[in-house]
Amino acid sequence: AQKVTQAQTEISVVEKEDVTLDCVYETRDTTYYLFWYKQPPSGELVFLIRRNSFDEQNEISGRYSWNFQKSTSSFNFTITASQVVDSAVYFCAPQSNFNKFYFGSGTKLNVKP
Amino acid sequence: DTEVTQTPKHLVMGMTNKKSLKCEQHMGHRAMYWYKQKAKKPPELMFVYSYEKLSINESVPSRFSPECPNSSLLNLHLHALQPEDSALYLCASSLTTGQLNTEAFFGQGTRLTVV
Repeated sequence: AQKVTQAQTEISVVEKEDVTLDCVYETRDTTYYLFWYKQPPSGELVFLIRRNSFDEQNEISGRYSWNFQKSTSSFNFTITASQVVDSAVYFCAPQSNFNKFYFGSGTKLNVKP
Repeated sequence: DTEVTQTPKHLVMGMTNKKSLKCEQHMGHRAMYWYKQKAKKPPELMFVYSYEKLSINESVPSRFSPECPNSSLLNLHLHALQPEDSALYLCASSLTTGQLNTEAFFGQGTRLTVV
């Protein structure tokens, strides 16, 4: 059995603030990948980042950074200096066999000017 | 070309109608997917096609009938739908189904309303 939890339903920040989105993934699998997707109001899911279960190093790509801690099953995603265009619903999505994605419940991010 | 194109973008149909949703990709991907997303909910997997063969059906009612005519096209045929089937239907593709680190590319979806 597996469970993905995004406890933050909705977050509001003012432009240029940093914001961290939380995700907890509980599974008995030892090998897996975790993805973050963004869904703007247009509806399309946009791939942001992926992380495998063996790599706990922090990574940074532009304004995005992410941190994975296997001991706590947490896979957090940070946007630095948020912009209005970052407003969207963000989904944490563990991946299992056959490339099946199990999406978390999502966190709606509102970035106000 | 990294796009997944879905048509139509919006569809309103009656419960006795027959309609089809279409999805197309030209990235050479051999895996294609249909997801259903209700308002304020996450996407839920419906079907997975791998090399034009149906490999996963997540217990979807038979009023939804998928078809993969070739490696670039994926259809979803709709018949005798219920109002509760109103949702955003998302198509996705990925390189294969066999690698765990492969991201899926999603289309913008078809917003379906059943009246």
